[in-house]
Amino acid sequence: DQQVKQNSPSLSVQEGRISILNCDYTNSMFDYFLWYKKYPAEGPTFLISISSIKDKNEDGRFTVFLNKSAKHLSLHIVPSQPGDSAVYFCAAVRGANSKLTFGKGITLSVRP
Amino acid sequence: GAGVSQSPSNKVTEKGKDVELRCDPISGHTALYWYRQSLGQGLEFLIYFQGNSAPDKSGLPSDRFSAERTGGSVSTLTIQRTQQEDSAVYLCASSSHRESFGTGELFFGEGSRLTVL
Repeated sequence: DQQVKQNSPSLSVQEGRISILNCDYTNSMFDYFLWYKKYPAEGPTFLISISSIKDKNEDGRFTVFLNKSAKHLSLHIVPSQPGDSAVYFCAAVRGANSKLTFGKGITLSVRP
Repeated sequence: GAGVSQSPSNKVTEKGKDVELRCDPISGHTALYWYRQSLGQGLEFLIYFQGNSAPDKSGLPSDRFSAERTGGSVSTLTIQRTQQEDSAVYLCASSSHRESFGTGELFFGEGSRLTVL
């Protein structure tokens, strides 16, 4: 049972434009959501997170939006840069000290 | 080192052999996780250690898989009688104890790529 879903396997955008990466979840008990970025042959690195009590969190070019009623979150990257090309994983967790449940990831390609 | 260290970085083995993968978490981190990523798949949770609590083994795919964490630090993931479907990148991550999830950071190692022939 896939509790965190990233339904699009890939996304290609032009440099300078906005990238929007989507994520859906099924477990309403999740209370924290995170995005991780992964380059080939490296481990994932934390990018940005959002608590379930918020609907938006912004950090530089990265903004995460949470729509709890729709059980949907999205990561916006603007402006997109070629160095943003990577696999992006959405993750969710219930409770402070528990395991993260990851989606399958989406491969973002930013064209120069 | 400053980060999560995993060894070996690459392991090729024959079907039926046992393998051990090692993870050295960041010093002081009480939580340690094992995930794996098979080709074209996401990050699949395997097992989670938190301090002195009983580990969460709910993600281990079969009884051929086991893991231990000695002294609250180094962890070893053991796969017995390996099968071709065990081929994947095995990722270890650690984090500090959290009162709330805060930034929610897990710090991942670079992974151990296992190929079962």
